[in-house]
Amino acid sequence: NAGVTQTPKFRVLKTGQSMTLLCAQDMNHEYMYWYRQDPGMGLRLIHYSVGEGTTAKGEVPDGYNVSRLKKQNFLLGLESAAPSQTSVYFCASSSGTIYEQYFGPGTRLTVT
Amino acid sequence: GEDVEQSLFLSVREGDSSVINCTYTDSSSTYLYWYKQEPGAGLQLLTYIFSNMDMKQDQRLTVLLNKKDKHLSLRIADTQTGDSAIYFCAEIVNDMRFGAGTRLTVKP
Repeated sequence: NAGVTQTPKFRVLKTGQSMTLLCAQDMNHEYMYWYRQDPGMGLRLIHYSVGEGTTAKGEVPDGYNVSRLKKQNFLLGLESAAPSQTSVYFCASSSGTIYEQYFGPGTRLTVT
Repeated sequence: GEDVEQSLFLSVREGDSSVINCTYTDSSSTYLYWYKQEPGAGLQLLTYIFSNMDMKQDQRLTVLLNKKDKHLSLRIADTQTGDSAIYFCAEIVNDMRFGAGTRLTVKP
């Protein structure tokens, strides 16, 4: 039982490049989330999903896209990376809105 | 909009009690949470409190809730070096909103 896993753990991009971050969970959770963590700002919700095939915008969605084609996977895409997207990205999953969120180990992304 | 607010740093000596404070934004929040983040790791749920409670105790952890002032606190008794981490409070509004985190440093 791996919980929530994220791929890759680290990545360096040049401005304008694209990439996809993969999140996978094996707990059969309906809800999945992508957050970014910046110093002194806590976690901010980028996008979330309440079930397979659904996505919704969070607090800071601009510059990101997501897809939830399979229940266990939630993908976060950056189409044209910018230095402002340098951050640590966390994926999480839960059984529902009020329930405990289980977090992945994070992906550290640097955009130069 | 309003933010969930926490002080950013707290330093205590091993064996002392730590109190981490949080002010949240929405009086209708049904659950309030404390998460712990150790270096290089994701967040893990430490404890939570339902909004109709004033206090919850779980071993060395005590959560106090003052709904009138929208104030939440986490007390860690007999703080150990292994408690050094960042502690986040969070509330549920339409989604989960986190504070910026309090970095707790425990000195031997």
